[in-house]
Amino acid sequence: GQNIDQPTEMTATEGAIVQINCTYQTSGFNGLFWYQQHAGEAPTFLSYNVLDGLEEKGRFSSFLSRSKGYSYLLLKELQMKDSASYLCAVLDSNYQLIWGAGTKLIIKP
Amino acid sequence: EAGVVQSPRYKIIEKKQPVAFWCNPISGHNTLYWYLQNLGQGPELLIRYENEEAVDDSQLPKDRFSAERLKGVDSTLKIQPAELGDSAVYLCASSSSGTGDLNEQFFGPGTRLTVL
Repeated sequence: GQNIDQPTEMTATEGAIVQINCTYQTSGFNGLFWYQQHAGEAPTFLSYNVLDGLEEKGRFSSFLSRSKGYSYLLLKELQMKDSASYLCAVLDSNYQLIWGAGTKLIIKP
Repeated sequence: EAGVVQSPRYKIIEKKQPVAFWCNPISGHNTLYWYLQNLGQGPELLIRYENEEAVDDSQLPKDRFSAERLKGVDSTLKIQPAELGDSAVYLCASSSSGTGDLNEQFFGPGTRLTVL
């Protein structure tokens, strides 16, 4: 079966750095997405990786290792508004997006 | 440019009643998705349309759920009759599937359904 694993919840301090990991086992691979979802709101796109390596976009970076079935989302200079759920999703061989359950990130002052 | 539009935002019904959700995708997006999301979980795909054709409805409980996208633009998802376990947020998303596109999905605000 297809499976995406990510931690259920993480806590970090304002101004710090946090890394949210995601491991996946899917039928084929056509890219990995990270989405941010604030409570009661729809998911919004953060990043996309299809090749190995690090993609940096401002305070957020996303890393992919296809051989290890592994990705992480790195958030720097954390702000209170970064408190949200972060969803990892993989595009499989049928171009269907397989979603993880999300990691709830709690930022403390 | 307008994003994905969904209505209603909230719906409360009693079990065994019918309910319908409406979605208007981003203009020019030919792929439309309906998802169900429970609290603390990721979205679960119910159905995916390419234009007016349902290309993946394997996860749609067809005994009570139905969907249509007659003109390949807006779409309606219906539940009849609703059960207590259908309480969830129903998300609509759209994407452009042209060559070289990212396949990034854009989500609407969702409809929060409560079945009493």
